[in-house]
Amino acid sequence: DTEVTQTPKHLVMGMTNKKSLKCEQHMGHRAMYWYKQKAKKPPELMFVYSYEKLSINESVPSRFSPECPNSSLLNLHLHALQPEDSALYLCASSQRVDYGYTFGSGTRLTVV
Amino acid sequence: EDQVTQSPEALRLQEGESSSLNCSYTVSGLRGLFWYRQDPGKGPEFLFTLYSAGEEKEKERLKATLTKKESFLHITAPKPEDSATYLCAVQAEGAQKLVFGQGTRLTINP
Repeated sequence: DTEVTQTPKHLVMGMTNKKSLKCEQHMGHRAMYWYKQKAKKPPELMFVYSYEKLSINESVPSRFSPECPNSSLLNLHLHALQPEDSALYLCASSQRVDYGYTFGSGTRLTVV
Repeated sequence: EDQVTQSPEALRLQEGESSSLNCSYTVSGLRGLFWYRQDPGKGPEFLFTLYSAGEEKEKERLKATLTKKESFLHITAPKPEDSATYLCAVQAEGAQKLVFGQGTRLTINP
């Protein structure tokens, strides 16, 4: 299995909703990442997990809350988002933090 | 500060018309340079990793090369299905993240 699987593929949520994005990989990778990508822009790093511990938080607002329950799973909990948070949210994994990434297909998030 | 600049921003070619995309970078000790292809609304798809100047890698119609200051992605006899945004990224020694360029939007007309 050489894939990173993200669910759901599309999500529409109101500004008062709570939702979660899920990411799963079975490649034995020990580093996992959340990226945010706006239209026609490159991906922007949000969080890095290394060996299930949060190692980088790129000053992301607290309405985004990451969680790494085990080495194969990564969640992103969303609460009280703003319309400007609408974007493609990408999960990625790598063997180690200093290796290249495998990206998932992303979750297209729309905040209304 | 690590930086990546890609050019051109957009490129339109006829089918079969070969060309090159450029990725210029400054980094404090290169761990690796990565090329990805991204289709609209999808996640980036890994193409190549280059680690040292002089290295070259090929895959079908694509060939990536690396010098100490830049990388080129050469596209030979492209087909319409090669249309996508091509992203270049660098990772510095000891760094935990990739630094991406803005991408080149490539369109191949039949």
